[in-house]
Amino acid sequence: SQTIHQWPATLVQPVGSPLSLECTVEGTSNPNLYWYRQAAGRGLQLLFYSVGIGQISSEVPQNLSASRPQDRQFILSSKKLLLSDSGFYLCAWTRRGTYEQYFGPGTRLTVT
Amino acid sequence: ELKVEQNPLFLSMQEGKNYTIYCNYSTTSDRLYWYRQDPGKSLESLFVLLSNGAVKQEGRLMASLDTKARLSTLHITAAVHDLSATYFCAVPVNTDKLIFGTGTRLQVFP
Repeated sequence: SQTIHQWPATLVQPVGSPLSLECTVEGTSNPNLYWYRQAAGRGLQLLFYSVGIGQISSEVPQNLSASRPQDRQFILSSKKLLLSDSGFYLCAWTRRGTYEQYFGPGTRLTVT
Repeated sequence: ELKVEQNPLFLSMQEGKNYTIYCNYSTTSDRLYWYRQDPGKSLESLFVLLSNGAVKQEGRLMASLDTKARLSTLHITAAVHDLSATYFCAVPVNTDKLIFGTGTRLQVFP
């Protein structure tokens, strides 16, 4: 069966500090991978998605970046965090050619 | 650009009552997905509707899809407190993405 992991689960970082969030998927090959952000009490904002190693599509211009160094690994990064980067970050995957997305447990980021 | 709208955004209902959440989308799609999110948690898949007229039921929840009207409904029958959560619908766009609705926060009280 497939499993998706995210870490860390929670993070408190000062403004201007760097960020690295990691997402890994087990039990499948060649998944599409997604990063979403959810502000408190709000909906989902798609940040990045990837259909293969090194292939990243950015949905919203911002101070975040994403990388996919391995088939089942997706990393969200920032060089300098802003207060507005606070939120719940969700990683998701789909089987290639399908749409149903499966979500990881999320990372709650608080920028102080 | 595809828009997915849900209403109501917030629903407070008494246990035992029935209600319907609506999901409208602005472009053609032959499939739609419903997700549930408990407070502070991630999203879990509820229903996958893959054709016009599709109906899926699980427990007190029933989802349907009308692709001609670009409308999906999530009907709640005899609500119980355990159904309290935020419900999202999502519609595929291009070949790789889902566009999520605004979400409906459901609160069931005794």
